[in-house]
Amino acid sequence: NAGVTQTPKFRVLKTGQSMTLLCAQDMNHEYMYWYRQDPGMGLRLIHYSVGEGTTAKGEVPDGYNVSRLKKQNFLLGLESAAPSQTSVYFCASSWTIYGYTFGSGTRLTVV
Amino acid sequence: DQQVKQNSPSLSVQEGRISILNCDYTNSMFDYFLWYKKYPAEGPTFLISISSIKDKNEDGRFTVFLNKSAKHLSLHIVPSQPGDSAVYFCAASGGSGGGADGLTFGKGTHLIIQP
Repeated sequence: NAGVTQTPKFRVLKTGQSMTLLCAQDMNHEYMYWYRQDPGMGLRLIHYSVGEGTTAKGEVPDGYNVSRLKKQNFLLGLESAAPSQTSVYFCASSWTIYGYTFGSGTRLTVV
Repeated sequence: DQQVKQNSPSLSVQEGRISILNCDYTNSMFDYFLWYKKYPAEGPTFLISISSIKDKNEDGRFTVFLNKSAKHLSLHIVPSQPGDSAVYFCAASGGSGGGADGLTFGKGTHLIIQP
């Protein structure tokens, strides 16, 4: 009963490097989301997907790209990391539009 | 412009007393509201929710009240226990995207239960 799994859990990047964060869910959920949490800012939506092969922009999409090639996976990419992207990233999935199951987060530091 | 506001960054309550966490919203299209609880180094977990057609929902020690005319909701925890110490996020669904475009979260309130 894994739920939502995020990898990696921690990562340090140098400015300009690229990386991909992986989110995998085993609950057959249609909806998947990427949020970032910054001190004093709450959770802000980066990108989301309402089904396999679909993606859409959220509140703070700049500097990120996403892909949902398989229903169970939602990938978040940073093409050229910037210090402003230092944050904790949470993936969530849901089978309805109400309420999510969150992963445990990825703590990313860009130096 | 913040659509979901939690104006108290932190709240300290004595064990056994009632904890009341408040949340205000500005978007009248929101039709479903949720509270999430978050411990350090973990993802948020769902606590309780309420539809806009109701004004109260209760689950054990947790009760959520919704005042649509005031665009205000509150979470009551009675009695408060040490394990309730966490950050609580208010979230709303609906809006222009009908809900599938993600929940809108407040900034959170850090609840500290003192022994």
